[in-house]
Amino acid sequence: TQLLEQSPQFLSIQEGENLTVYCNSSSVFSSLQWYRQEPGEGPVLLVTVVTGGEVKKLKRLTFQFGDARKDSSLHITAAQPGDTGLYLCAGANTNAGKSTFGDGTTLTVKP
Amino acid sequence: DAGVIQSPRHEVTEMGQEVTLRCKPISGHNSLFWYRQTMMRGLELLIYFNNNVPIDDSGMPEDRFSAKMPNASFSTLKIQPSEPRDSAVYFCASSLLPSYGYTFGSGTRLTVV
Repeated sequence: TQLLEQSPQFLSIQEGENLTVYCNSSSVFSSLQWYRQEPGEGPVLLVTVVTGGEVKKLKRLTFQFGDARKDSSLHITAAQPGDTGLYLCAGANTNAGKSTFGDGTTLTVKP
Repeated sequence: DAGVIQSPRHEVTEMGQEVTLRCKPISGHNSLFWYRQTMMRGLELLIYFNNNVPIDDSGMPEDRFSAKMPNASFSTLKIQPSEPRDSAVYFCASSLLPSYGYTFGSGTRLTVV
């Protein structure tokens, strides 16, 4: 069974601070996705990374896939209250019908 | 596209009653997933379908749970009889290429009293 561990589990910061959250596994994945879930809603796909070492940017969010495709990180610059939510990573393999989800990092950004 | 549509958004029922949750996936998506989310266990995959065929139901907790996908635009998750420990948020998600990500619905919050 492929497992994904996310850290930290909870993170509370002030508006304007930078932060990084991590998604780690002992297994290799062909792709990895990051989602953000706001209270009362379903997870929303932010990005998919597929190449080892790949870096993708989405405004103030930077996503990196590890060289060995076993881990990933999400860095947020100058966090805003609107970034508050549960961040989930999910890994998949080509031709697999499903993804494996981590337990998530709950981020709170205080104004 | 209106996205993945789930109904109802909230359901409160008494223990022992039958509960049916409904999902309309995004048109053209050939994979459909049912998840359950709780604080204790996080997001759990219950069952997924590909081209309307159940592929993996190993996450379905008990025989009380059943899921169907009679056509490409509709799926149901049924719990009969319901128990208080079934209280959770149930999500439906669909995808064209699962390894590239899913589109989730807004979920059904189920409370069994």
